[in-house]
Amino acid sequence: GQSLEQPSEVTAVEGAIVQINCTYQTSGFYGLSWYQQHDGGAPTFLSYNGLDGLEETGRFSSFLSRSDSYGYLLIQELQMKDSASYFCAVRNSGNTPLVFGKGTRLSVIA
Amino acid sequence: EAGVVQSPRYKIIEKKQPVAFWCNPISGHNTLYWYRQNLGQGPELLIRYENEEAVDDSQLPKDRFSAERLKGVDSTLKIQPAELGDSAVYLCASGGSGINEQFFGPGTRLTVL
Repeated sequence: GQSLEQPSEVTAVEGAIVQINCTYQTSGFYGLSWYQQHDGGAPTFLSYNGLDGLEETGRFSSFLSRSDSYGYLLIQELQMKDSASYFCAVRNSGNTPLVFGKGTRLSVIA
Repeated sequence: EAGVVQSPRYKIIEKKQPVAFWCNPISGHNTLYWYRQNLGQGPELLIRYENEEAVDDSQLPKDRFSAERLKGVDSTLKIQPAELGDSAVYLCASGGSGINEQFFGPGTRLTVL
């Protein structure tokens, strides 16, 4: 089976940097993905890490350490619109579906 | 390019009634997923299709849930009869071969009274 752990809530100040951690236990591992979901909206893809290291896409970066079964999402220059839920998700193999964590609700405050 | 389309967006029914949800994936995407998302939780897979074949339906409560994707394009998820615990958002997503990203539709919010 698979399990993912991420903090349920995080609060950060506008303009600051926030890091959302994700640890996972899986029988196999193909990659770690991050999705953003605003209230009432659809999850949208942010990033994917198949190999160890850092992936950067604009203000969003994601890191993976397969030896530690750990990853994080880093959001820089926080904006109010970044207030949303963030989900990490893992895949056992290239042919299996994503398994999502319970999500981290990020609140950005002025 | 149109995204994943779902209908209806909202549905309120009484328990024991049937309900159906429809999904049209992004054109050319062979893989289609149905997820259920409870409040404050992540999406949980119900069923995955590769073209018209259901390749992963181990989490689908088959006593009351059914799904089909007859021509390998759009799909329907049905619940009959609905129970109070089925109240949730039902999300459809699609993806192409070798693509790590899944594209989600807006979901159908089901309320069972």
